[in-house]
Formats: sequence, C-alpha cells, structure tokens
Amino acid sequence: GESVGLHLPTLSVQEGDNSIINCAYSNSASDYFIWYKQESGKGPQFIIDIRSNMDKRQGQRVTVLLNKTVKHLSLQIAATQPGDSAVYFCAEKPGGATNKLIFGTGTLLAVQP
Amino acid sequence: GAGVSQSPSNKVTEKGKDVELRCDPISGHTALYWYRQSLGQGLEFLIYFQGNSAPDKSGLPSDRFSAERTGGSVSTLTIQRTQQEDSAVYLCASSLATELYNEQFFGPGTRLTVL
Repeated sequence: GESVGLHLPTLSVQEGDNSIINCAYSNSASDYFIWYKQESGKGPQFIIDIRSNMDKRQGQRVTVLLNKTVKHLSLQIAATQPGDSAVYFCAEKPGGATNKLIFGTGTLLAVQP
Repeated sequence: GAGVSQSPSNKVTEKGKDVELRCDPISGHTALYWYRQSLGQGLEFLIYFQGNSAPDKSGLPSDRFSAERTGGSVSTLTIQRTQQEDSAVYLCASSLATELYNEQFFGPGTRLTVL
C-alpha cells in the first residue's frame, strides 16, 4: 500500500508574509544550484538559479542565497501568495563535465489565506 | 513553443511485465535526462544523454533499467521484469546543456504502478 504521509518538512506561512526555505547541499565541488517548484501532479518548474561564484541572486519576488562555507542554500519568497503553495526542491550540479542534477528531498510550502 | 511531453501519463502493470516510457524533449535541446520520484520524495537521477556522447548511466538502479535516445530526440526508458518497488513517477527533462547554463525543463511525468 501507500506510504503513510509524505514525511516532507513543511513550512506554513500566512498570505503576504515572506517565506524562507532552506537547503543543505552535499558536494563542496558543486558549481551550479537551482530551485524548483513542484505543484501536485506536475513536473518541477524552474524558479531561479545561482552559480557558485555568486552568493546572492534576485528574481521577481524570489531571492536565492548561497553560503559555500557551510554548504547552505536558501530561497526567499517575498509577499507569499496562495499560488506559491507547492513543494520546493533545491538541486545541485556536481562539478565537472556532467550536467546531471542531485535533488534535495523537498519542502512543502503551505500558504494560509 | 511545446514543452517536454511524456507518454503515457499513467501506466499500471503487473509484476514481471516489461514497460516502455516515452519522452519527447523540447526541439533543439541536446541534453535529455530521466529521473525517478517516489511518493513524497525528491528526484533520483537515472540517466543522462548529451548529444552523441555516451550516456551517463550512473543512476540506473539495476540492469533491468535501460534507455535509448533515437536520432538525438525522442527517448524511451524501458524497465524489464517490473517489481513493485519500481512504482514511482518517472520524469524526463531536457536542456540546452551549455557549459554552465543548465536549466532543465521537465515534462509532466509518467506515473507507473506495479501491482
């Protein structure tokens, strides 16, 4: 039968608040990082990316911060909206010739109206 | 333009049967990836094709899994002698795969259920 529960970390926020989703990555040689959003029944959707030679990048309502010292990545969403409710995954590209991505386990963002 | 498409969207099969899952990447994308996502989990890399280079098969979980990409476009993931633990959503992605820019565009996935 099915697993009981998703066992995903969950972040619950009020509509209009700012959200911060955190991710610890595994490989100090990773040179590229991406945040994806996945809504129920759909494939992951690109949100924002950052290269390892940067520590901050901003998009529309989203900001990604990279701390290579502690191998930590965060996604900040400003003025969170109900449409932001989804599972958010960070992904890292290991250094070298490969372009495969290694994904984290995901965080469920629940926006309360 | 059209995004990545996958077929079928759902597949139910019996243990021991073979299945084929299809992926049509975005036109012009030279790189194609297969991932597996189990219930409530992140994506697990399976295999990666880049142009005419030998594919990176390092993520395939067993020799029952194989994939091919014909003419540098459509890809088929084949699972032989399916087992219940193969039940998952199989996601395909494609990208331009230039050196640093690696935005992967994902299809909607194929949900495989092995009874």
